[in-house]
Amino acid sequence: EADIYQTPRYLVIGTGKKITLECSQTMGHDKMYWYQQDPGMELHLIHYSYGVNSTEKGDLSSESTVSRIRTEHFPLTLESARPSHTSQYLCASSETRGNRQNIQYFGAGTRLSVL
Amino acid sequence: QKEVEQDPGPLSVPEGAIVSLNCTYSNSAFQYFMWYRQYSRKGPELLMYTYSSGNKEDGRFTAQVDKSSKYISLFIRDSQPSDSATYLCAMSRNQGGKLIFGQGTELSVKP
Repeated sequence: EADIYQTPRYLVIGTGKKITLECSQTMGHDKMYWYQQDPGMELHLIHYSYGVNSTEKGDLSSESTVSRIRTEHFPLTLESARPSHTSQYLCASSETRGNRQNIQYFGAGTRLSVL
Repeated sequence: QKEVEQDPGPLSVPEGAIVSLNCTYSNSAFQYFMWYRQYSRKGPELLMYTYSSGNKEDGRFTAQVDKSSKYISLFIRDSQPSDSATYLCAMSRNQGGKLIFGQGTELSVKP
């Protein structure tokens, strides 16, 4: 089982609130990712990081921001949540070297509902 | 057009059946192919990982890649109710490259 943890697992909040979704991994992986997953749709990459102080936007435009101050921690923040942000958010990590770099290990996800 | 196409199902089979799950893709540069299994309210977990064309077997699971047809398959033999989950295919052009996921196929195995 992958050692990557997301909190909270479920979150229901009102429009306009600021929220932070937490993601931590204990595998020492340099690469970390945030995906958005909606029912019946493919995973969409919204942010990724190749190491401390490195963050990039993914393919899907997102109003969220991320930070990477520590290797093991990759939080995602929404400054002002809207109903359109309702989705499942998945965090993942992967190795940087070796022949298993493509394998991403996922957390259990945070299911966000914005009312 | 999506780079990776996967029939979302749902697919319902009786226990013991052989299940075939498939993905097609359009980019011939993909070389690394994965199948992830995602149980309800959980994150995806890696099931099979293959490089280039050919078959790979692991217990009741067989992954097959046909690069000439741009088609990958996952076969599940003697399916069990515990196999009920969503199966996602994913692929990448190179080591450490971005993963492109299919929509996922929802599988239900009935006792």
